[in-house]
Amino acid sequence: QKEVEQDPGPLSVPEGAIVSLNCTYSNSAFQYFMWYRQYSRKGPELLMYTYSSGNKEDGRFTAQVDKSSKYISLFIRDSQPSDSATYLCAIGGYGNKLVFGAGTILRVKS
Amino acid sequence: GAGVSQSPRYKVAKRGQDVALRCDPISGHVSLFWYQQALGQGPEFLTYFQNEAQLDKSGLPSDRFFAERPEGSVSTLKIQRTQQEDSAVYLCASSLAGKSTDTQYFGPGTRLTVL
Repeated sequence: QKEVEQDPGPLSVPEGAIVSLNCTYSNSAFQYFMWYRQYSRKGPELLMYTYSSGNKEDGRFTAQVDKSSKYISLFIRDSQPSDSATYLCAIGGYGNKLVFGAGTILRVKS
Repeated sequence: GAGVSQSPRYKVAKRGQDVALRCDPISGHVSLFWYQQALGQGPEFLTYFQNEAQLDKSGLPSDRFFAERPEGSVSTLKIQRTQQEDSAVYLCASSLAGKSTDTQYFGPGTRLTVL
């Protein structure tokens, strides 16, 4: 079993839709939860960073962490074609390395 | 300001050749990481430096992989006797200090294809 599980998609939605992306993890030692966005042939860029259970909002993006269920989510409101990318969940706090999910490919159709 | 840069961006090698991949971290960043990203997968940790010290190399898949950061700035990942399974994107990341909470900033990666 992988330490971090993420559905690879692809997920295809119409412009303006609310998108929900999810990951589960197995090791309760993980303490920090991140979402990275990766455009084709580019490196990952950090979108959201949370430490604790609950919600964190930044513009159209909301990150949600439920440590009791070992479940993290990213919600994107009013999705735009420019949001089309691969979204990677990443978990840290177990040493200095990050452990990534496989990434979910998102396509927002105009 | 300048981000993490990597060179070359693309590398094609014949099986058995040695390759060297370069990473220039953000200026002043203490920590440097190498990750391997296979097609359709998330990045997987290879190794971690704090300044010139290699503190974790637990992710290096074999003794054909070697990384160095001799002056605590630029780093080189070397792969000897490349195999087809080494084909992947190699990502470098840097962070400001040595804390596990620090944000890691990624470069664009080097896409290695082994024929």
